[in-house]
This record gives sequence, C-alpha cells and structure tokens, in this order.
Amino acid sequence: DTAVSQTPKYLVTQMGNDKSIKCEQNLGHDTMYWYKQDSKKFLKIMFSYNNKELIINETVPNRFSPKSPDKAHLNLHINSLELGDSAVYFCASSLLSEQYFGPGTRLTVT
Amino acid sequence: GDSVTQMEGPVTLSEEAFLTINCTYTATGYPSLFWYVQYPGEGLQLLLKATKADDKGSNKGFEATYRKETTSFHLEKGSVQVSDSAVYFCALEGLQGGSEKLVFGKGTKLTVNP
Repeated sequence: DTAVSQTPKYLVTQMGNDKSIKCEQNLGHDTMYWYKQDSKKFLKIMFSYNNKELIINETVPNRFSPKSPDKAHLNLHINSLELGDSAVYFCASSLLSEQYFGPGTRLTVT
Repeated sequence: GDSVTQMEGPVTLSEEAFLTINCTYTATGYPSLFWYVQYPGEGLQLLLKATKADDKGSNKGFEATYRKETTSFHLEKGSVQVSDSAVYFCALEGLQGGSEKLVFGKGTKLTVNP
C-alpha cells in the first residue's frame, strides 16, 4: 500500500517544454512538500503546503508552480524547462515532524 | 540561517565494521534532529530522530545522540551489513510560516563490502 506516490517516475523532455509531476498521499497528512535533489544528491525544499495553502516558497523560479487541488494531492507544474531543471524531484508529506517521501521523479531536460 | 554539516563521503567499509558519520548543526533554538536513509533508486526513509537534548534515537542497530553542547548528532552502528549501503542524510527541523521545514546535510554515501 503506497503511502506517497508520484507520477511519472521518469520524465525526459526538451528545453522549453512544459511538464507536470503528480503527487498523492494516502496517509491523511495535512502538510505536503516538494524537494529537489541535484546530481550531487543535495536536497533542497522548494514548496510546502498545509491543507491546500502555500506555506513555504523557497526562492524557486516562478516557472515552477505547485497546485494542491485537495490535501491529498500536490502537483508540480514546470514551464519553459531549462537544462538546469534536470534533477530528481521528491514529494513528501508529514505528520508530527516525521516526513514520508515518495519514490521520486527523475527529470531529464535535453 | 539553519544549516547542517555532515562528513564528506564516500565511506567504504567492510562488513561488520564500526560506522560513524559525523553531523553538526547550526540553528536558533533547539530543533528536532533526524537521520534519513536513501537506498539506491528510492526515496528517503526516516531512520531515527531525537527531539531534545540528550535524547538518543535508535533503529535497525543505528544510534545517534542529540548533543546540545557540541551541536552534534553523529550516526553510529556497531556492525554494518552489505544491506546498509545507501546515502545517509542528517537533517534538522525548523519552523517557517507555521510549517515544519527540513534542512538537510549534503548526504554521505556508504558502501559496505562483503
């Protein structure tokens, strides 16, 4: 029973395209996140939502737009993709300080 | 701002060796501290945590003690196994806008050889 799921697992696209990554959690958590992991494995928070409301926006280019249709879903839409956007993107949800991560989406921009 | 520094990897050990991965932090107040583990091709999993000074977190033979005086949270295991090969992340929890925010160290890759 998958707790935090992401689709797609792999995404290969060309520069300038627009793409979306979907995230769903079935844990009943109120808070969800998007993280970016670069090629050196460094993890950085991008966004946090609490009960569909944006709480944290960490100086991410406005080409990145999160959307939370309900508290179980947090999707990430990226416009005008650039080479530097290539990374693994992780969705997570949390309850009482413990965060649960999805399996990640490996985005490759060519 | 808050930050976490952990020892540079990679670390390569033989099976049954003793493991220490150092982690120190800078933060205002006394944040909760965590170790997460990332196995190849997977997302991060919480390994252990400590929420206040002198707390010891433990799981799967791993331990870490919250040391306020040295602002450290070093990860240890007495006898590593091949299955422990993974990337280990130290993290602290800060609060921003009423939401928990994890600040991660850069990760330490551990390889255990049979």
